[in-house]
Amino acid sequence: KQEVTQIPAALSVPEGENLVLNCSFTDSAIYNLQWFRQDPGKGLTSLLLIQSSQREQTSGRLNASLDKSSGRSTLYIAASQPGDSATYLCAVFNTNAGKSTFGDGTTLTVKP
Amino acid sequence: SAVISQKPSRDICQRGTSLTIQCQVDSQVTMMFWYRQQPGQSLTLIATANQGSEATYESGFVIDKFPISRPNLTFSTLTVSNMSPEDSSIYLCSVVDFRAAANYGYTFGSGTRLTVV
Repeated sequence: KQEVTQIPAALSVPEGENLVLNCSFTDSAIYNLQWFRQDPGKGLTSLLLIQSSQREQTSGRLNASLDKSSGRSTLYIAASQPGDSATYLCAVFNTNAGKSTFGDGTTLTVKP
Repeated sequence: SAVISQKPSRDICQRGTSLTIQCQVDSQVTMMFWYRQQPGQSLTLIATANQGSEATYESGFVIDKFPISRPNLTFSTLTVSNMSPEDSSIYLCSVVDFRAAANYGYTFGSGTRLTVV
């Protein structure tokens, strides 16, 4: 059974700082890995999707990497802003399970 | 990627009643899922909505409590039956379409925030 762990559970940084969120998974037979953002009481917004054959994806100030062999992904946020404050979740889609497993998320607070 | 309309966005319901949540997608998709997110927790998969057949429920979720319909490839409903305060959560519809050349990943609706009093 796939297990997805996100570290840290919470993170507070001053505005402008670069930061890294971590996601680890136990079963490397994945189809893709997806990073989401969730604002309080809202749905999930997809940030980046990395296929199993890819090593990284970039969108604006966000960069996500994937290392299947070690079961790890990182989400790098450059020059953080207060508007980046949210919970960030990673989800791993397993081919054999036919569905994704979600981590518990990292709650980010960026202080002005 | 698909665009999802989920209704209602929030509701406050009396215990013992039922609420039906609708999920409308702007294109045909192969897979639709229903998730629950209890306060302060991550997502828990309730079931996979299958077009034209009974939904596939995860452990701990049963059809009598969470009946699901999916009459076609663009629409699904989730009913939360005989509600109790423990059912207070955000309920989320999600879709994946594997028929595209590339998998666009999961797309989520905006969620339904349910409070049972």
